[in-house]
Amino acid sequence: KNEVEQSPQNLTAQEGEFITINCSYSVGISALHWLQQHPGGGIVSLFMLSSGKKKHGRLIATINIQEKHSSLHITASHPRDSAVYICAGSSYNTDKLIFGTGTRLQVFP
Amino acid sequence: KAGVTQTPRYLIKTRGQQVTLSCSPISGHRSVSWYQQTPGQGLQFLFEYFSETQRNKGNFPGRFSGRQFSNSRSEMNVSTLELGDSALYLCASSAGLAGGYNEQFFGPGTRLTVL
Repeated sequence: KNEVEQSPQNLTAQEGEFITINCSYSVGISALHWLQQHPGGGIVSLFMLSSGKKKHGRLIATINIQEKHSSLHITASHPRDSAVYICAGSSYNTDKLIFGTGTRLQVFP
Repeated sequence: KAGVTQTPRYLIKTRGQQVTLSCSPISGHRSVSWYQQTPGQGLQFLFEYFSETQRNKGNFPGRFSGRQFSNSRSEMNVSTLELGDSALYLCASSAGLAGGYNEQFFGPGTRLTVL
């Protein structure tokens, strides 16, 4: 069993739909990161959180420390949101990231 | 502020050769981490350097090595290349001061193909 699990692995949506990607982890972490990777490889950090909820534009990330679970929500999805979304945990006193397997999102017009 | 840069962007080598990849972090960042991404294994941690010291190492064979210079630039080296080393190699930098709670900024990656 992977230390960081994501679901679903693949997700298709129509433009405008509300999207949720889930992440569960079984190890102790100091922070949970949500990353976005577009075709071509570049990775962008969307959120880093250790508690509660963060919002940036149409993206919302939440984390429940007790349940070791985090969610990434996209409101009013758009085709440009099509990408792979990756959650990762960082351990204490290190930047080392432990990655989930990623969720491939495709949003159709 | 310039982002993280990696050179070269693409590289083709043959089995048995060695390769050196370079990563220049964001100005002021002292931590550089390296990751390997393959279709089969996904993203895996290689090394982490902070102020020229290796702070953490992933589960890779000794053919994979790295170092960090006083200006925080980092290099990783892979000797005796194998076909399975074909991958996208990504580096990420952070300020590195809040252990485990540093936002990481990724470079565009070096795509290595081993023939």
